[in-house]
Amino acid sequence: DTEVTQTPKHLVMGMTNKKSLKCEQHMGHRAMYWYKQKAKKPPELMFVYSYEKLSINESVPSRFSPECPNSSLLNLHLHALQPEDSALYLCASSLEPSSSYEQYFGPGTRLTVT
Amino acid sequence: DAKTTQPPSMDCAEGRAANLPCNHSTISGNEYVYWYRQIHSQGPQYIIHGLKNNETNEMASLIITEDRKSSTLILPHATLRDTAVYYCIVRGTTSGTYKYIFGTGTRLKVLA
Repeated sequence: DTEVTQTPKHLVMGMTNKKSLKCEQHMGHRAMYWYKQKAKKPPELMFVYSYEKLSINESVPSRFSPECPNSSLLNLHLHALQPEDSALYLCASSLEPSSSYEQYFGPGTRLTVT
Repeated sequence: DAKTTQPPSMDCAEGRAANLPCNHSTISGNEYVYWYRQIHSQGPQYIIHGLKNNETNEMASLIITEDRKSSTLILPHATLRDTAVYYCIVRGTTSGTYKYIFGTGTRLKVLA
């Protein structure tokens, strides 16, 4: 099983809502990542979790709150977002955080903030 | 952190080889080069990676120059399904944790 799953596929939320994105992998990977991708731009790294601990936060605003409850699951909690936060949110995982192993990406969650 | 430079777009005739170049002139000695592609806003798909030797797998070949300042991804017999944005990526580190630094990508269109 080389699959990273993400739910929901699409999400529309108002600026006062609280919602969460979910990412799951069952490959035994110990590094998990959140990326944000705007239209016609490359993915931009947001957060990295290594062995369930946050190891990189790329100066992401606090309205995005990541959580790694266990080695298979990664959440991204959203609160008080702005319309410019509308984007494709991608989750990825890799076997080890400090190695040459490739990252496996999920299909993404398309987020629209109204 | 090393950065990559790619042409914004390329066309290739179906059945011909597609050669996608990438410049990474500031790459460090232990940094790998990765190639991914993304088809119409799906998640990026891994293609191949290498350090200094040329690499080949069932999808593509990766040719890295001896000075490691550039590389070329080769799709030997392009099909219409290879139409995608291709990203050349080098790894950087923050506090000892590796992270991908995506290039701006090349939009490859395979023409029938």
